Amino acid sequence: KAGVTQTPRYLIKTRGQQVTLSCSPISGHRSVSWYQQTPGQGLQFLFEYFSETQRNKGNFPGRFSGRQFSNSRSEMNVSTLELGDSALYLCASTVGAADTQYFGPGTRLTVL
Amino acid sequence: AQSVTQLGSHVSVSEGALVLLRCNYSSSVPPYLFWYVQYPNQGLQLLLKYTSAATLVKGINGFEAEFKKSETSFHLTKPSAHMSDAAEYFCAAHWGYQKVTFGTGTKLQVIP
Repeated sequence: KAGVTQTPRYLIKTRGQQVTLSCSPISGHRSVSWYQQTPGQGLQFLFEYFSETQRNKGNFPGRFSGRQFSNSRSEMNVSTLELGDSALYLCASTVGAADTQYFGPGTRLTVL
Repeated sequence: AQSVTQLGSHVSVSEGALVLLRCNYSSSVPPYLFWYVQYPNQGLQLLLKYTSAATLVKGINGFEAEFKKSETSFHLTKPSAHMSDAAEYFCAAHWGYQKVTFGTGTKLQVIP
């Protein structure tokens, strides 16, 4: 079974731009969660989608948004990029609610 | 509020020595508990998980963890450290349909 895939793997943007990251979960997995990881703040939860509905949301500004499609693929969007948005963005998928999360390799976003 | 605490952001051990990484959770209700490992520039990989079936859980790469309800702990151990164990380790907890809560991570250094 293929693992969680994230595209692109690396991204360089400038302040003020917007970016869209993509995550394809493991086949059959219906839940997708997004995390931001930085050296200073560690691993921070962004949001979780289950069957196209946002089920949980972390404490991030409205510039961060996401969605999930009917095939469970998910995208997250960050508008008006700031330098502090530079991070590794991780996506994880699970079969259901209380199951193991399987992580993708992440997208490394650098904002200049 | 429910939380996960990892004691020690950095732990150093000699090759061949015991590895002990500490994790405590705060909740009156025992959660599902997980340990993940992250190698540089990669996503998180599941080491092991506790789902109430057995208090001593064996994982991959020779790691194991013991759930102690009275101590609200789920410490990760490995009898003999190997150079390849050098990585960052995350403890995580999940209470039903709520989001997964991660600890702040412990970087393990193995000294030859």
